[in-house]
Amino acid sequence: DAKTTQPNSMESNEEEPVHLPCNHSTISGTDYIHWYRQLPSQGPEYVIHGLTSNVNNRMASLAIAEDRKSSTLILHRATLRDAAVYYCIRAAGNKLTFGGGTRVLVKP
Amino acid sequence: GAGVSQSPSNKVTEKGKDVELRCDPISGHTALYWYRQSLGQGLEFLIYFQGNSAPDKSGLPSDRFSAERTGGSVSTLTIQRTQQEDSAVYLCASSTGLAGDTDTQYFGPGTRLTVL
Repeated sequence: DAKTTQPNSMESNEEEPVHLPCNHSTISGTDYIHWYRQLPSQGPEYVIHGLTSNVNNRMASLAIAEDRKSSTLILHRATLRDAAVYYCIRAAGNKLTFGGGTRVLVKP
Repeated sequence: GAGVSQSPSNKVTEKGKDVELRCDPISGHTALYWYRQSLGQGLEFLIYFQGNSAPDKSGLPSDRFSAERTGGSVSTLTIQRTQQEDSAVYLCASSTGLAGDTDTQYFGPGTRLTVL
């Protein structure tokens, strides 16, 4: 099963960090972990990806557990524009298998 | 620069009719993907084109669905004899096709299909 497990929703206050957990306990050693997000009425957009080491980019950080069975996407300072559904995806080959994602609500 | 574009943005059709949905990928991207997103559901992979290779059709839900990619660029997703359960947002994405498992997919805005 290539799907991941995420909480249905999370709330955050503006300017505070958001930690989005993802469980991928059956991940294989070569599967990358990708995160995409989907803003309302838009197609998904890439956020970040990683394999074993923690990763940082201008949008977020990705912390990957040592056993790779889970990971956490970190939005350092949530803004209202970060309100979206965030998808954690195991990438085996080029096909992305999306799960239900986590709906992030950001309160002003 | 220009991103992935899709047309039409909205399509309303009657049950039993055929529909064609178009995707214009980012110029130079060799990989093209179709997904669909039903109301309240996640994204479901449909089909994947990579260069001149045979497409991966493993996600197509029935033989009423087909897709082609002409000249390695524009793609058309065709749904024959549409059913109400085909109502969804159909999303197209493209990528360079060079990075394998780390290839970033760039999504279009989608076509919302409503079958009455």
